Amino acid sequence: KAGVTQTPRYLIKTRGQQVTLSCSPISGHRSVSWYQQTPGQGLQFLFEYFSETQRNKGNFPGRFSGRQFSNSRSEMNVSTLELGDSALYLCASRRTLRDDEKLFFGSGTQLSVL
Amino acid sequence: GEDVEQSLFLSVREGDSSVINCTYTDSSSTYLYWYKQEPGAGLQLLTYIFSNMDMKQDQRLTVLLNKKDKHLSLRIADTQTGDSAIYFCAENNAGNMLTFGGGTRLMVKP
Repeated sequence: KAGVTQTPRYLIKTRGQQVTLSCSPISGHRSVSWYQQTPGQGLQFLFEYFSETQRNKGNFPGRFSGRQFSNSRSEMNVSTLELGDSALYLCASRRTLRDDEKLFFGSGTQLSVL
Repeated sequence: GEDVEQSLFLSVREGDSSVINCTYTDSSSTYLYWYKQEPGAGLQLLTYIFSNMDMKQDQRLTVLLNKKDKHLSLRIADTQTGDSAIYFCAENNAGNMLTFGGGTRLMVKP
């Protein structure tokens, strides 16, 4: 069974640009979550999608948005990029929203904003 | 708010046991997790414990939970060089999002 797949693996952008990251969950998983990892702030929750609906959102500005498609694949968009958005963006999937469902992570997209 | 804390660094010799500690604050967490992150990689789920358990053993890994003190530990027996990585503990909060600790970098010396 394939794991969580994130593309691209690396991205370099400049300030003010926008970026879209993609995540394909494990087959059969309907929930996709996004996390940001930085050396200073650690791992922080961005949002979670289930059945194409955002179910939970972390404390990030509106420049960070996401969506989920009917096949459970998800995209995350960051507009008007800032230097501080440089981070490893991790996607995770689980089968349902039950609290005993484990989260499985992809390898991440490393975003560098210059 | 929730805050999960871990020590930054641990160094052990190959073959010794490693113990990584974590304190958490959300007493309503139902599950607590340990994840491993190797350089340039995502997070690998190592093990987890349900909040009504005190201990869970899984091969070389032993998780101990002291719910009264909100203290979680991960013991790795017979630590190998391949265990060198960053280890994160995490608790699930309302809405079932995970709050992670800052990570403990484990260095295993041959």
